[in-house]
Amino acid sequence: EAGVAQSPRYKIIEKRQSVAFWCNPISGHATLYWYQQILGQGPKLLIQFQNNGVVDDSQLPKDRFSAERLKGVDSTLKIQPAKLEDSAVYLCASRTDRDEQYFGPGTRLTVT
Amino acid sequence: QKEVEQNSGPLSVPEGAIASLNCTYSDRGSQSFFWYRQYSGKSPELIMFIYSNGDKEDGRFTAQLNKASQYVSLLIRDSQPSDSATYLCAVLYESYKYIFGTGTRLKVLA
Repeated sequence: EAGVAQSPRYKIIEKRQSVAFWCNPISGHATLYWYQQILGQGPKLLIQFQNNGVVDDSQLPKDRFSAERLKGVDSTLKIQPAKLEDSAVYLCASRTDRDEQYFGPGTRLTVT
Repeated sequence: QKEVEQNSGPLSVPEGAIASLNCTYSDRGSQSFFWYRQYSGKSPELIMFIYSNGDKEDGRFTAQLNKASQYVSLLIRDSQPSDSATYLCAVLYESYKYIFGTGTRLKVLA
């Protein structure tokens, strides 16, 4: 069974630029999460989708972050404009019906 | 605010010893608890989950849950240098939201 796919793996941008991340969950997993992980901290939930609907986006900075999951499969997370404090690893995860959550490899974003 | 707390470490143990990692959580309504291992530069990997009070064993790993005291622990028997990583505790709230601790860094000394 293929795991969660993410791209790109690394991205370096200047502040005020925009960036987009892509995620393809494990086949058949209806629930998809985007997390932000800053060095030395645990993953922090940004947004959760159930199929193509948003379940929780309460911690998503909506003035600059947006996310969508068209057709209930893959998802994109966008940041526009980026700030220095957005430098982090962005993790996508999908979840089984037994609550087991599996992570993709992540995208390491550096904002200069 | 729902919280999950872990000692950041590092926790250093000699090879072959038992490593004990602990986690406390704030919400008594939590039902499901997870341990992830994260190697440096990699993403978290699920290693154990536990729902019921008591112990759950899987190979060298044992998860322990005490809901009355609101703590979860992970024991790693016969620790190996390859077990050196950060161990993240996660708690599932409201059936959909995972709250992670900051992780405990484990160093197994050869």
